[in-house]
Amino acid sequence: SQQGEEDPQALSIQEGENATMNCSYKTSINNLQWYRQNSGRGLVHLILIRSNEREKHSGRLRVTLDTSKKSSSLLITASRAADTASYFCATDVHSLGRLYFGRGTQLTVWP
Amino acid sequence: DVKVTQSSRYLVKRTGEKVFLECVQDMDHENMFWYRQDPGLGLRLIYFSYDVKMKEKGDIPEGYSVSREKKERFSLILESASTNQTSMYLCASSLGTGGIEQYFGPGTRLTVT
Repeated sequence: SQQGEEDPQALSIQEGENATMNCSYKTSINNLQWYRQNSGRGLVHLILIRSNEREKHSGRLRVTLDTSKKSSSLLITASRAADTASYFCATDVHSLGRLYFGRGTQLTVWP
Repeated sequence: DVKVTQSSRYLVKRTGEKVFLECVQDMDHENMFWYRQDPGLGLRLIYFSYDVKMKEKGDIPEGYSVSREKKERFSLILESASTNQTSMYLCASSLGTGGIEQYFGPGTRLTVT
């Protein structure tokens, strides 16, 4: 399967701490994306990093990509209770529009 | 803002019924997708479409069909619903090629009894 795999499956932290989630994938990619899903809702796109980029920032989010290791990480700094959600990585392999999603990391941030 | 809407948030159907799930996007996107989401399995692609009247099978098309008669509307059809099709169904759309971000609807939680 070309599906990405997130690690850990679940993460529980206190408000103010940083949260780090990892994604590994199997094939060469054009880009990798991270999405967030609040309980029982649709996914929302967070950030896209292209295969020729190594790091990208957006607000409290920092994404890294290591194509040699076929892995990416999502760092959320100074977490808030409102960051509680599932986070998914998705890879673009063929640049034709379809993405391959992982199983997600469930993040819980305690007040 | 891109808006993707799905016809129902919750749906309960009986085994053997024909079920239609509708998805509409308002941003003239070429690509539309249907996923199902089950605990521990993540998102699995059922069908997708790159243009009107075009469809491509995803990873789990068995038991499903789709229709795209207009660019903004993509329908998922369960020809004869079964209990193993109880799931959350998510529709998404994206603009053209290039693997850019997908915009998701709120989801339909389907229960087949």
